[in-house]
Parts: sequence; C-alpha cells; structure tokens
Amino acid sequence: AQSVTQLGSHVSVSEGALVLLRCNYSSSVPPYLFWYVQYPNQGLQLLLKYTTGATLVKGINGFEAEFKKSETSFHLTKPSAHMSDAAEYFCAVRSAGKSTFGDGTTLTVKP
Amino acid sequence: SQTIHQWPATLVQPVGSPLSLECTVEGTSNPNLYWYRQAAGRGLQLLFYSVGIGQISSEVPQNLSASRPQDRQFILSSKKLLLSDSGFYLCASIRGHRDYGYTFGSGTRLTVV
Repeated sequence: AQSVTQLGSHVSVSEGALVLLRCNYSSSVPPYLFWYVQYPNQGLQLLLKYTTGATLVKGINGFEAEFKKSETSFHLTKPSAHMSDAAEYFCAVRSAGKSTFGDGTTLTVKP
Repeated sequence: SQTIHQWPATLVQPVGSPLSLECTVEGTSNPNLYWYRQAAGRGLQLLFYSVGIGQISSEVPQNLSASRPQDRQFILSSKKLLLSDSGFYLCASIRGHRDYGYTFGSGTRLTVV
C-alpha cells in the first residue's frame, strides 16, 4: 500500500517570501512522485515530477522539489512567491501502476 | 501533447435523474483513461480507469458506471443520481509510456439537488 501526507492544509506566505509545501509518502517500491497545481474550478496541471536520476527536479513557474529517500519526502519550494501562485497544490505518488494523491494544500499569497 | 475535453463544465441535476459526462482525448492514441471525483476541500478519489476500448476497472462500488466506446472517449454515467454524487469530476489520461504524469481535463462541477 502507498500513501501521501501533505502537512498543512493551508499555507499563507507574503509576496516575495519563500514557499515551502511539505509532502511525505510511503511506498513499498521506488515511487514516481509528482506535484500538481489546481486553480479554482479547473483541472490539475502537472508542476513537476521525479521518476529517476537527479533528486532535485525543476518544474514550471519557478517551482522545484527534492526527493529525499531517507526522509521519504518530496517537498515543493519556490524562492519568491507571486500572487499568481495562489492555488491548491497536490502531491502524488505512483508505484506498482497505481496513483495516490494527498489531500492538497491551499496556498494563499498576501500582498 | 495531449488535450482532454470535458463537458459540461457545470451541471445541476435533481435526485433520481440520469447522468452522462463525456471526456475525449486529443493528441494521443490508446491512452489509459481515468475518472476522478474531488469533494470540496478533499483530495482526489479514483472512480474508474480504462486501459482500452471496453475495458473498465472500478475502484469504488457506487452508483456510477463508466464506459469506453472508442479509444479516445470515456463516459461516466448514472441511472439515478444521489445527493452524495455531488462533486467535481475530472477526467485524466496518462501521458506516454515513460511519463506517468497525468493530463487532466477542466472538470465538471456536478450539484445534485
């Protein structure tokens, strides 16, 4: 069985501040890991993914995430938040042909 | 790249009425297709997936059914809607053999009244 835990259902940052969204997973086999972003009343859009190779992966809109096997984590970061980053973010794990999503983290960006 | 078309965008249906949501995929052939439901403030719940025409796997026993009459068409149906069927329904496909990230449609907001 696999699972995903996103720590903090709501995160609020000021514009220009660091964004850190936390994701921990459990998987019995090496997983593929993903971050998706969802704007209101829209589908999810892939931000970035880790499959194999380099553990620091860069995605769209300046986001990046680091796969840390020893910590079973895949936290999402962005050095400087923009107002347009306000959205809901989902971490997901895929292994053995199945995908599991976290419950999501709503990011609010204050001016 | 793949594009998923979903319609309608919003739907308000009375309890006991039938449902048909359609999803079509452009830009790929023989995709794996998925129906997810997202309840307010919650993550995604996998409802059905399909690896080919006529092949449907159900993840959650419920009031809904799915069909795949064509390679790039995936339909979610119900004969009689329940209040608990309200939610945001998303169609998704897997992007390519080596890239297991999903492409999602824009979703259908279903409200059962």
